Parts: sequence; C-alpha cells; structure tokens
Amino acid sequence: TQLLEQSPQFLSIQEGENLTVYCNSSSVFSSLQWYRQEPGEGPVLLVTVVTGGEVKKLKRLTFQFGDARKDSSLHITAAQPGDTGLYLCADFTDKLIFGTGTRLQVFP
Amino acid sequence: DTGVSQDPRHKITKRGQNVTFRCDPISEHNRLYWYRQTLGQGPEFLTYFQNEAQLEKSRLLSDRFSAERPKGSFSTLEIQRTEQGDSAMYLCASSQTPGAAYTIYFGEGSWLTVV
Repeated sequence: TQLLEQSPQFLSIQEGENLTVYCNSSSVFSSLQWYRQEPGEGPVLLVTVVTGGEVKKLKRLTFQFGDARKDSSLHITAAQPGDTGLYLCADFTDKLIFGTGTRLQVFP
Repeated sequence: DTGVSQDPRHKITKRGQNVTFRCDPISEHNRLYWYRQTLGQGPEFLTYFQNEAQLEKSRLLSDRFSAERPKGSFSTLEIQRTEQGDSAMYLCASSQTPGAAYTIYFGEGSWLTVV
C-alpha cells in the first residue's frame, strides 16, 4: 500500500513570508497532483505533474517533482492570508491516493 | 450550479442509527468516487464507480457501508448501525473516464456526527 507523507504537518506564518511543503511517497508516483482544501469545502486541484524533474509555476506557487518521481515540493512566495488551507499531494491512477496533508495558516 | 452536489451537508445522528448520503455528479461524468476525511487529515478512498458498476472498494468500507449508483447518475452511500468512529466528512467526486489528462472534481462534502 502506497504511503504519502507530507511535512510539515502544520505551518503558521506571517503574510509575506516564503514557505515550502514536502510530499514523499513510499513508491514511485504514477501522476502527482497537488490540491488545496479550504474549511468546509472539497479539495481543489492546483496542478498535475508527470515527468521526473518537472517544475511548474502557478502565480506565486512553484511545484517541483523529484527526478526519481518519489517526492515533490510546493513553494509559496510571499504568502497571503488567502493561501490559508490544507495542502494535499495525491497520486493519481484510476483513483486518488492522498497524502497526510499540511495545514497552512497565514496571518495578516 | 453544475458542480458535484452532496446532500445533506450536515447530519447528526445517534449511535446505532442508519444514515444515507446522496451525491449528484457533474453531468456526463461517468466516474464517481467516495472518500472519507477526518479533521486535519487527507481524504481516504472508499470506493468508486464507472457508470453503474462499482469497480473498487477499500478495506475501509466495512460491511456496514454500502454504496450504489443504480442508473449511472447519482450515487448513495449508506452507513448502517453508525458508530462514533464513523464521524467524519464524506466527500463525493466525479470525473470523465481516465484519459491522457483529466480532473477529478469534488463536492463540498457531507459532515456526519455520531453522538
């Protein structure tokens, strides 16, 4: 059974700071996705990465996929309160297997 | 609103009672998924359907849980003889048949509290 560990579990920062969250898999990803989930809502897809070493940018968010396709990072530059939420990585085959999640709180 | 719709959004029930959740997927999405999520954790896969066929069930889905999608459109998730450990958010999601690139869309979830 594939295990996806995310770190840190919690992150509390001030507006304007940079941060990085990590996702590590016990096995090679088929296709890695990152989601953000706000309280009381379902997860919303941020990005899909497939190729080892791939880097994708989404405004202030930078996603990196490890060369061996077993790890990934999400870097947020100049965090804003609107970035607050639960960040989830997931392996995508015929279904999604989610990681343990990183809860981010950005204070004004 | 053409997103994934779940009903009810919140349910409080006494231990031992049965509860049923309904999910209406995005129109023409033939895949439908159920997940369970406890506070601060990532969603856990329960089961998924391709049209009306239930293709996979997680070991998390005990005999007290049953899911159906009788006409390949909406789905129901029933929990019989609820236990306090069943308290969680139950998420439904839908997608088109897997292809080169496709997106799974989630509903807002149904919160279950067993007292």
